[in-house]
Amino acid sequence: NAGVTQTPKFRVLKTGQSMTLLCAQDMNHEYMYWYRQDPGMGLRLIHYSVGEGTTAKGEVPDGYNVSRLKKQNFLLGLESAAPSQTSVYFCASSEPPGSTTGNSPLHFGNGTRLTVT
Amino acid sequence: EDQVTQSPEALRLQEGESSSLNCSYTVSGLRGLFWYRQDPGKGPEFLFTLYSAGEEKEKERLKATLTKKESFLHITAPKPEDSATYLCAVRTYYGGSQGNLIFGKGTKLSVKP
Repeated sequence: NAGVTQTPKFRVLKTGQSMTLLCAQDMNHEYMYWYRQDPGMGLRLIHYSVGEGTTAKGEVPDGYNVSRLKKQNFLLGLESAAPSQTSVYFCASSEPPGSTTGNSPLHFGNGTRLTVT
Repeated sequence: EDQVTQSPEALRLQEGESSSLNCSYTVSGLRGLFWYRQDPGKGPEFLFTLYSAGEEKEKERLKATLTKKESFLHITAPKPEDSATYLCAVRTYYGGSQGNLIFGKGTKLSVKP
């Protein structure tokens, strides 16, 4: 049982390049999330999804796009990378709040460290 | 605006020296308060969920408590392997992303042998 798996683990991009981060979960969770973590800023929500085929904006969505074509996968895309997008990106998944499993904590992957030069 | 504030930012303890980490919150309606542990280069690992004032949860040397304004993570007789960053997060009843957690900036704990 792998939980939440993120690929790649590390990536270096040049300004203006594009890339896609992949997140896969094997817990059959409905909700999935993308966060970024920066020193002194804590974890901030970029985009989230409450089910297959749905996506919504979080706190810091500008410069990012997402897709949830399959329940187990959540993709984060950077169309034109900027140095301000240098960060560690975390994917997470959870059951819907209030489900029979309780208040449903988020389960996180181990992150992708992205550097944009 | 919903806010989560953790203190101190960093804490250094000697092995066996008990202490507490603080998480204060200002939210429109608390649906749950979560504690996570994060090791360097890893994602946050879930520890506890607390729902209502007066509730307590324990796991090995860790004990989390909740009041109407703050939560404490008590560490009893810590060991070097307890060294990590501890994150506090809240889930509220309001807002568009009802599954989302609002995180504090964390407390970095170092336990020296």
